[in-house]
Amino acid sequence: GAVVSQHPSRVICKSGTSVKIECRSLDFQATTMFWYRQFPKQSLMLMATSNEGSKATYEQGVEKDKFLINHASLTLSTLTVTSAHPEDSSFYICSAPGLGTYEQYFGPGTRLTVT
Amino acid sequence: KQEVTQIPAALSVPEGENLVLNCSFTDSAIYNLQWFRQDPGKGLTSLLLIQSSQREQTSGRLNASLDKSSGRSTLYIAASQPGDSATYLCAVHEGGSEKLVFGKGTKLTVNP
Repeated sequence: GAVVSQHPSRVICKSGTSVKIECRSLDFQATTMFWYRQFPKQSLMLMATSNEGSKATYEQGVEKDKFLINHASLTLSTLTVTSAHPEDSSFYICSAPGLGTYEQYFGPGTRLTVT
Repeated sequence: KQEVTQIPAALSVPEGENLVLNCSFTDSAIYNLQWFRQDPGKGLTSLLLIQSSQREQTSGRLNASLDKSSGRSTLYIAASQPGDSATYLCAVHEGGSEKLVFGKGTKLTVNP
């Protein structure tokens, strides 16, 4: 099956710094990728849709200047949390649809802790 | 706005028991429905995908059904095992979109 990787798996950063998270589709190309955030005991909430070659589409309430998304190639999307604060601490997961299907394949997630 | 609800929020059963997890959604205009498994601190593993035109899908001890008109899906797990312990998430693809809307999940514990 299709494999999606994320890097890093865990990151701890100080308040005010920026953190970049990578999402890669390993054996397929993805013109679209999705970024989700999951708080403890909560469901996954879609943050934004990453589009290769164009601007990302953000969900209502998500600050596009704080969560920068770059879909640099057909296999890589990055999410940069700028000027991170403790309330940004969460589990960030990306996904990509399989080619020709709507089945979503998810990365293993990145645990961000802002101190 | 599509809303997905999963009941129960948590379930604890003895090993070997058959069980049913429930998922309901408010807007029946969906493209498909997907069931996932999430282990603590991990990403999601896709279990079953049901297209809107289908009634059910089976994989091993898992069977998922879909009643689109009533906005319901169930995940049936036969002969549960301790290794089945995880959180099970239901998600629907909104019609005309690749977006997934998730429920909050059912945390399943299978006791040896």
